[in-house]
Amino acid sequence: RKEVEQDPGPFNVPEGATVAFNCTYSNSASQSFFWYRQDCRKEPKLLMSVYSSGNEDGRFTAQLNRASQYISLLIRDSKLSDSATYLCVVNRGTGGFKTIFGAGTRLFVKA
Amino acid sequence: SQTIHQWPATLVQPVGSPLSLECTVEGTSNPNLYWYRQAAGRGLQLLFYSVGIGQISSEVPQNLSASRPQDRQFILSSKKLLLSDSGFYLCAWSGGGKSDTEAFFGQGTRLTVV
Repeated sequence: RKEVEQDPGPFNVPEGATVAFNCTYSNSASQSFFWYRQDCRKEPKLLMSVYSSGNEDGRFTAQLNRASQYISLLIRDSKLSDSATYLCVVNRGTGGFKTIFGAGTRLFVKA
Repeated sequence: SQTIHQWPATLVQPVGSPLSLECTVEGTSNPNLYWYRQAAGRGLQLLFYSVGIGQISSEVPQNLSASRPQDRQFILSSKKLLLSDSGFYLCAWSGGGKSDTEAFFGQGTRLTVV
C-alpha cells in the first residue's frame, strides 16, 4: 500500500463548478500536511498547508481528519486557470523529516 | 531569502553513460534535502533524502546514488544510465530538524536516456 494515496482522476469540470479531492495516508505518525499544485512540465508549488482546524484561502478549503487519516481539498467556483495536478503531501518525522508526495489528481476545468 | 538551484535543466544521455545532477540551496542552513523522480504522466517518487552532511537515505532500490558533500549541496549520480532512468528529476529542500515547513523545489532536470 502506498503511504499517500490519491485518486489520479482526471476530474473534468465546467467553469464555476465545485470540486473536491481526497487523499489518504497510512502513517499515523505523520505530522504535517500540505496541498501542492503542479502545472504541466513544471515543479510543484505549495498551494496551502492543512491544519487540524481546517483552513481556507479564497476559493480553496483544506481539511484534515487525523482519526480517519485523510486530507481533503475543496475548490469552489472553478476557473480555467485551476487546471493542474494537485498533489497531497505528508511529512513524517520518524528518524529524520521526510516529505512524501501522493501521485496527484489531475483537474481539467473547461469553459 | 532562500533559493534552490538545480542544473542542468535538460539532459540527453546515451545508455551506459554516467550521470551527475547537482542541487544547491542558498539562504538556509542544515536543510533537509530530497531527490524526486517523476516519470511521464506519473506522480513524484522519492528517491533519496538527507538530514545532514554525509547522511543519505534511499527510498527505493535503483541504479542511482546520492551524496551530500556539503551542507547545502546534494548530488544525484549514476555510473551507467538505463533507459528506465529517463524522467523529470526534482531536487527539494525543507526546514531542518523536525520543522513542518513546506518543501521548495528546484526547477527540475528533464533527463532523456537514449
